[in-house]
Amino acid sequence: DIQMTQSPSSLSASVGDRVTITCRASQGIRNDLEWFQQKPGKAPKRLIYAASTLQSGVPSRFSGSGSGTEFTLTISSLQPEDFATYYCLQHNSYPWTFGQGTKVEIK
Amino acid sequence: EVQLVESGGGLVQPGGSLRLSCAASGFTFSNYWMSWVRQAPGKGLEWVANIKKDGNEKNYVDSVRGRFTISRDNAESSLCLQMNTLRAEDTAVYYCVGAGYWGQGTLVTVSS
Repeated sequence: DIQMTQSPSSLSASVGDRVTITCRASQGIRNDLEWFQQKPGKAPKRLIYAASTLQSGVPSRFSGSGSGTEFTLTISSLQPEDFATYYCLQHNSYPWTFGQGTKVEIK
Repeated sequence: EVQLVESGGGLVQPGGSLRLSCAASGFTFSNYWMSWVRQAPGKGLEWVANIKKDGNEKNYVDSVRGRFTISRDNAESSLCLQMNTLRAEDTAVYYCVGAGYWGQGTLVTVSS
C-alpha cells in the first residue's frame, strides 16, 4: 500500500498568514492527488484535484503543487473560515489512501 | 446542484448486516466512478470501495473485501454498500463520494 505522510499534523496560525501543508507519498503517484478540507461535524470538501487544479468555487487563495512523491497545499492568506482539518488522498493505486490529516487552528 | 444523500445507517450487532444507499442528483451519475469513504469517530478518512461507471469493476480495501459489496444502478442514479459480518471496527460515518462531491454521511454503529 502507498503511505501518505502529511506534515505537520497540526499548526497554529493567524488570519492573514501563509500556510503550507505537505504530503509525501511512499512511492511515486504522478499527480494522482487530491486535497480536502473538513470542518467539525461536516463532510469533507474537495479543494484541489490532479495535484494542482482548483475545484470550481474554491477561493484562489488555495493552491496545490507537486508531482511524484512530494506535494504541497498552500493557503496564501488564511481566513477565519479556513480553520479546519485538511487531508490529502492518493488515487494512483489501490487501496486509495489518505494522509492522517493536518488540523489548522487559530493562534 | 449536485446532491448525494446517504441512508441506511444505524445500530447493528457484531456479525450483523446493513445496507447503505446513496441517491445522487444534479450530475450525470453514469459518467462517474463512485466511492464509499468512512471515518471512525474522532479519526481520519479511510477509502472503503469504489465502482466503475458501468459497474464492471469494483475495488475494496483489504479490511472489508469479502464482507462488503458495492453496487450501483445507473437508471436510478443510486449507489449501494451491502455490509455483512460487521465488526466493531466498522463503526464509522460512511460517505458516498463521486464527481468531486461528498454526501453528508450516514453513521453505522456496530455494538452489542
